[in-house]
Amino acid sequence: NAGVTQTPKFQVLKTGQSMTLQCAQDMNHNSMYWYRQDPGMGLRLIYYSASEGTTDKGEVPNGYNVSRLNKREFSLRLESAAPSQTSVYFCASSPLGQVPLGWQYFGPGTRLTVT
Amino acid sequence: TQLLEQSPQFLSIQEGENLTVYCNSSSVFSSLQWYRQEPGEGPVLLVTVVTGGEVKKLKRLTFQFGDARKDSSLHITAAQPGDTGLYLCAGDYTGTASKLTFGTGTRLQVTL
Repeated sequence: NAGVTQTPKFQVLKTGQSMTLQCAQDMNHNSMYWYRQDPGMGLRLIYYSASEGTTDKGEVPNGYNVSRLNKREFSLRLESAAPSQTSVYFCASSPLGQVPLGWQYFGPGTRLTVT
Repeated sequence: TQLLEQSPQFLSIQEGENLTVYCNSSSVFSSLQWYRQEPGEGPVLLVTVVTGGEVKKLKRLTFQFGDARKDSSLHITAAQPGDTGLYLCAGDYTGTASKLTFGTGTRLQVTL
């Protein structure tokens, strides 16, 4: 049982390049999330998927797209990377509807630098 | 956008001291969670509080949910170096627990 896995762990991009961050969970959770974490900003929600087949914008969706490929996988795509997207990206999953309410299980993160 | 403020932002104390971290909002939470994050890792859930006035204890950690469900506190007794990390509160404003709003975090360092 690996929990939430993210690939890659580290990535350096040049401005304008595109890339996809991969996330997978093996806990049969319904909901999945993408956050970014910047110094002094805590975690900010980019996109989330409450259930397979649905996605919704979070607090900071501009410049990103997501795909809920199936119940296990939720990917985040940067179409044209900008230096402002330099951050640590976390994927999380949640067994929505089960206690403890709203509990989220996080992956180890992807450290992205855009030059 | 809901705002969840944590204080203090940074805290450096010596082993054996007590400390309290605060989490405040102008809006009512349906529930609130506390997470701890260590360097290079994702946050890990510590506790969830749901009922106004609720107090939960986890060994040397005491969590309290305000009566009006707009604030919460985390108290650590006799801090140890293993308590070092980033403490994050996260509130559910939706009532469905479908998404959380995270606070800015309190970075705690406990030295010998």
